Amino acid sequence: ETGVTQSPTHLIKTRGQQVTLRCSSQSGHNTVSWYQQALGQGPQFIFQYYREEENGRGNFPPRFSGLQFPNYSSELNVNALELDDSALYLCASRQGAGLTTEAFFGQGTRLTVV
Amino acid sequence: GIQVEQSPPDLILQEGANSTLRCNFSDSVNNLQWFHQNPWGQLINLFYIPSGTKQNGRLSATTVATERYSLLYISSSQTTDSGVYFCAVVLSNDYKLSFGAGTTVTVRA
Repeated sequence: ETGVTQSPTHLIKTRGQQVTLRCSSQSGHNTVSWYQQALGQGPQFIFQYYREEENGRGNFPPRFSGLQFPNYSSELNVNALELDDSALYLCASRQGAGLTTEAFFGQGTRLTVV
Repeated sequence: GIQVEQSPPDLILQEGANSTLRCNFSDSVNNLQWFHQNPWGQLINLFYIPSGTKQNGRLSATTVATERYSLLYISSSQTTDSGVYFCAVVLSNDYKLSFGAGTTVTVRA
C-alpha cells in the first residue's frame, strides 16, 4: 500500500507566476484535501475534493484552484503568485466524504515565491 | 469558527522525562487526530482519537469529548521525539481538519 505522495518537494517561483502542485492519494482513498502551512503556524485548510467534485473550501481567494482526477490524484493551482504564498503545501487523503475517517498527509511541497 | 488551543506552546525535556500535551477545543467534534511534524515537514499520524484512550508504545492519548479536551502523553522521552505536535479536529457539522498552533517539543540528551 502506497502512502500519499506529493511533487515537487521544493519549488521556487517569481511573483506573478503560476504554479501547479501534485498529489497522489493513498490507495483506496477517494477524498483529497489541501492545506497551506506558513512558517511557525498550523496548517490552514484550502479546499477538499471528493470523487472529482470540490465539496468544501476555506478562506482562500479564487486564484487558488484545484482538480481531482478519476484515479483520485489531485492538483493545486495557484495563479498570480504573491510573496505571502510562500509556504509548505500539504495534501491529505482519506476514505469517503464522511467526517469520521482518518486523514493521512504527504510530505509536502515547500514553495518559495521571490 | 472552532477554536483549537494547544498548550504549552513550547516544552523542553531531558531525555527520559515524561510529559503531557493538551488540546482544548471549543465545540463538539466528530474527529480528532494527533500528529507529529518531522523536521522535513511531513505530518506523521500518531492517533485518531475522537473519544477514549489509546496507547502506542511510549505514546498514549486520551480524549474527553464531553469536556472538549484531549491529552497526549509522552513517556521516557527520546531525542527523536523532538518536533512539533499538532492536534486537529473536525467539527460535528464540518468537513475540514482545524489545527491548533502546535506544541514544539525539544528533548535534550
